[in-house]
Amino acid sequence: EAGVAQSPRYKIIEKRQSVAFWCNPISGHATLYWYQQILGQGPKLLIQFQNNGVVDDSQLPKDRFSAERLKGVDSTLKIQPAKLEDSAVYLCASSLVVGSPLHFGNGTRLTVT
Amino acid sequence: GENVEQHPSTLSVQEGDSAVIKCTYSDSASNYFPWYKQELGKGPQLIIDIRSNVGEKKDQRIAVTLNKTAKHFSLHITETQPEDSAVYFCAALRDTGRRALTFGSGTRLQVQP
Repeated sequence: EAGVAQSPRYKIIEKRQSVAFWCNPISGHATLYWYQQILGQGPKLLIQFQNNGVVDDSQLPKDRFSAERLKGVDSTLKIQPAKLEDSAVYLCASSLVVGSPLHFGNGTRLTVT
Repeated sequence: GENVEQHPSTLSVQEGDSAVIKCTYSDSASNYFPWYKQELGKGPQLIIDIRSNVGEKKDQRIAVTLNKTAKHFSLHITETQPEDSAVYFCAALRDTGRRALTFGSGTRLQVQP
């Protein structure tokens, strides 16, 4: 089966600019997650979708981050405006249902200068 | 919320030796404990998982043990090979309420040929 696809692989922006990341989960996976991974740390959940509804966004900095999952398939994560501390790898993952194994994409490495 | 602690942060072994990574979790409602391997520039990949109704699970050179009373679980890799070199993450998932994986901080394993 095709894995989780993410784009772009790398992005460099200046602080206060905006950026968007795209994710296409494994076909048929109802649950989609965005994780932020700061260098040297474990992934930290930003938002979880079940189909096209938000299940958990308690750790999403909503003043600057937004995410959507239209039609319950692809998802987009946006940051506006970016801060230096947003430099990280943004990982998208999907699972068949909540509680089943997560499959991760290779992430987007964001550098904010 | 759930807190997962992982030790050691770095581990260096000789090829053929065994490696053990340990994690503790705080939330007694957690019942699913996966382990992920992350290679440079890639997303985490599931290597083995265990549910709370099982005390031990083995897959070739990899095994995971779970002590639910003590709230800790461990990854054991036997006969290590250079290709085992990577960062390993443990994670925990609760069975009710907020149901997204909480990750440990990672262990960088280096297998010396």
